[in-house]
Amino acid sequence: EVHLVESGGGLVQPGGSLRLSCATSGFTFSDYEMNWVRQAPGKGLEWLSYITSTGSTIYYADSVKGRFTISRDNAKNSLYLQMSSLRVEDTAIYYCARERDLGALDYWGQGTLVTVSS
Amino acid sequence: SYVLTQPPSVSVAPGQTARMTCGGNNIGSKSVNWYQQKPGQAPVLVVYDDSDRPSGIPERFSGSNSGNTATLTISRVEAGDEADYYCQVWDSTSDQRVFGGGTKLTVL
Repeated sequence: EVHLVESGGGLVQPGGSLRLSCATSGFTFSDYEMNWVRQAPGKGLEWLSYITSTGSTIYYADSVKGRFTISRDNAKNSLYLQMSSLRVEDTAIYYCARERDLGALDYWGQGTLVTVSS
Repeated sequence: SYVLTQPPSVSVAPGQTARMTCGGNNIGSKSVNWYQQKPGQAPVLVVYDDSDRPSGIPERFSGSNSGNTATLTISRVEAGDEADYYCQVWDSTSDQRVFGGGTKLTVL
């Protein structure tokens, strides 16, 4: 059974940094492209970043480009999101999601909450 | 960047058919995916590549896509279908994944 479990969320001050992790199991992680998606309280889904199976190609949403860095460790079956220069508007639940093809996200973690506040 | 437009809400009585639209410029040329999200839960993929269903998704869920509008149709709506529904595409021009704003389905 496919499982994705995010961790690393918490309370951080504006301007601070945080690293999120997504531990996966139940599938061959190195075969799949992965994504990060977030959802601010009471708002819709916002795609953040994409990484190919080897990590050779990466894309970001304009809202986080230059501040967030996606990466992966195929030996550890894990996906990461390094977040810096955090803003109050980055407060959200952050989800990792597996991509099957043509952008379809077929498995999601349960999410981890990031709160940016002074 | 590519924009997807969804109506904020749709209401339907149990047993009836719910249709939720997703508008985008020439969206018919793209592959559209649909997600269901219930309160406090992660999204679930219910339709991918316009009209395919992942395993475990009831046949009551179907999708279509043409011109500037994609549609998610839920037949014989049940109370358990009440949720937020999001459309999503891969914009090959920018290589970004794009979500619509979501539609809240209310079962009366």
